Amino acid sequence: AQKITQTQPGMFVQEKEAVTLDCTYDTSDQSYGLFWYKQPSSGEMIFLIYQGSYDEQNATEGRYSLNFQKARKSANLVISASQLGDSAMYFCAMREPDYGGSQGNLIFGKGTKLSVKP
Amino acid sequence: DAGVTQSPTHLIKTRGQQVTLRCSPKSGHDTVSWYQQALGQGPQFIFQYYEEEERQRGNFPDRFSGHQFPNYSSELNVNALLLGDSALYLCASSSEIGNQPQHFGDGTRLSIL
Repeated sequence: AQKITQTQPGMFVQEKEAVTLDCTYDTSDQSYGLFWYKQPSSGEMIFLIYQGSYDEQNATEGRYSLNFQKARKSANLVISASQLGDSAMYFCAMREPDYGGSQGNLIFGKGTKLSVKP
Repeated sequence: DAGVTQSPTHLIKTRGQQVTLRCSPKSGHDTVSWYQQALGQGPQFIFQYYEEEERQRGNFPDRFSGHQFPNYSSELNVNALLLGDSALYLCASSSEIGNQPQHFGDGTRLSIL
């Protein structure tokens, strides 16, 4: 069964506007972590933001915020004030279980290609 | 502070050959994971090494093997290459201490002719 679903193959956003990239996940674990990575055309996966399943507040990192809705099993990424350099592939990933000292493997979605228009 | 480094950047092989890819983890990291990313797909977990042993393995055949050295660097070996092995191979490192994200290298782009 697919564990991470990203339903938007491609998205367009105007420069300086906000954009939301969707991610839903499936797990029966109580402990899990959700991640967003950015992959430019160069190939490197750049870590953006992390949300633990027990975190009560939504994670924020600069212009990135994660809209975590546990009951709906969704972890959408919000990018505010889009910049041309934000154009890239964005991947949602899950790590289960997710507790200190254990480096479980990441399960990735298929990604969303974001294009920022000037 | 050097990040995760992978070599080579690109590689072209023919079917049936063997290949070795290399990875040096980020300074302070002791765990190395390998992922295969086919064109248009998200990365898929191959295996993870910690304390020079394979700790976890994804759904990949035995043709895929690895090694971790005392300095935490790692190699990914693929034998009897198939056309379907053409992909971007990503190495990620992390620390066993704390709940930290994995940091990725730029990857090795492997093409099989």
